[in-house]
Amino acid sequence: GENVEQHPSTLSVQEGDSAVIKCTYSDSASNYFPWYKQELGKRPQLIIDIRSNVGEKKDQRIAVTLNKTAKHFSLHITETQPEDSAVYFCAASRGSNFGNEKLTFGTGTRLTIIP
Amino acid sequence: DAGVTQSPTHLIKTRGQQVTLRCSPISGHKSVSWYQQVLGQGPQFIFQYYEKEERGRGNFPDRFSARQFPNYSSELNVNALLLGDSALYLCASSLRQGAGNTIYFGEGSWLTVV
Repeated sequence: GENVEQHPSTLSVQEGDSAVIKCTYSDSASNYFPWYKQELGKRPQLIIDIRSNVGEKKDQRIAVTLNKTAKHFSLHITETQPEDSAVYFCAASRGSNFGNEKLTFGTGTRLTIIP
Repeated sequence: DAGVTQSPTHLIKTRGQQVTLRCSPISGHKSVSWYQQVLGQGPQFIFQYYEKEERGRGNFPDRFSARQFPNYSSELNVNALLLGDSALYLCASSLRQGAGNTIYFGEGSWLTVV
């Protein structure tokens, strides 16, 4: 089955600096890669996603890059703010119209923004 | 529009008991999935249902079962509860099944087994 590794497990950055979180996946058939932000006691919230036919996607301060050959994808947050502090999860899915859409999650990165 | 709604939000059960968790997907969404999130870990896939049929099952024992109703709502049942079943149970919905469908999570049901 799919295995998703995520690094680092914890990350502290000064407010205004950039943060990068990296994930690798094992199943070359995976074709959908979302990122979720989870605040303490809350549900995971989708912040950005990328599909395998795209190499990069950006939404304001957040960007995701995908390298299918190397089977890794990364989350980039620029101009970090205190409200960016949370746990971030990457995930991968190989669902198709004839299969299921199971998400395999990474182990999470606890991001702390230092004011 | 309402998001994915789950009930109950918190519950405490005793070992050996049974629990039923409920989920209503976003209006118009036909696919519902269940995930278990143990404290400090990422969510783990339990089941996916689409059009009332099971379309995927994770590595969970037979004590876990689920179903989807004609209105696309869903229930997750766990029998013979163990202490290790204590977790946040998340329901997620998407418009249809398949790769690349945006998956939205509910607030979850916090289950504590004592």
